[in-house]
Amino acid sequence: DQQVKQNSPSLSVQEGRISILNCDYTNSMFDYFLWYKKYPAEGPTFLISISSIKDKNEDGRFTVFLNKSAKHLSLHIVPSQPGDSAVYFCAASARSGGGADGLTFGKGTHLIIQP
Amino acid sequence: DTAVSQTPKYLVTQMGNDKSIKCEQNLGHDTMYWYKQDSKKFLKIMFSYNNKELIINETVPNRFSPKSPDKAHLNLHINSLELGDSAVYFCASSQWGGGSGNTIYFGEGSWLTVV
Repeated sequence: DQQVKQNSPSLSVQEGRISILNCDYTNSMFDYFLWYKKYPAEGPTFLISISSIKDKNEDGRFTVFLNKSAKHLSLHIVPSQPGDSAVYFCAASARSGGGADGLTFGKGTHLIIQP
Repeated sequence: DTAVSQTPKYLVTQMGNDKSIKCEQNLGHDTMYWYKQDSKKFLKIMFSYNNKELIINETVPNRFSPKSPDKAHLNLHINSLELGDSAVYFCASSQWGGGSGNTIYFGEGSWLTVV
């Protein structure tokens, strides 16, 4: 029962272009969403987040969009750089969990930036 | 100056053995977690502790026993290891409310291989 789905296992984008990573969720109780980036042999590192009261959050080259009615969020990276090549995990949580309920993760999308 | 550190990073052991993975965080957080990434790459929460108190215990065999001697440490003991326990185990920490606004920070992971 996957509550957070990332349907693209991998994505290849040319350097300088826009990378768009997608994520869908099924649990309507989720109200906080995060993107984590993971390099091989390292732990996931926090990238950007968005609360359900917003539909967009921007941080430098990274923008996350949230469409609550569609239960869909996306991460835009522009322009894409070689160092962006990594696995990107979408994650979600429900605040009603009390705080220590942790995160529910998607399976990840491997982003490959081509020179 | 690692924020969340876990040891060992790599562990190969035989079936039936008992092993421990240690985790320490120097971020002053009050909540710590153990996540497991299995062969299908799903990253799932196993346990969470807040101020040394167990908050979440997902459906995990009771061969897995977390121990939190203080807020900065959460160790994972695994008894009678089985082949299916082979995975990457990530320790993480946050302030109370992790996943609800407080970022969860991950360690680099411990690669456990049971042979």
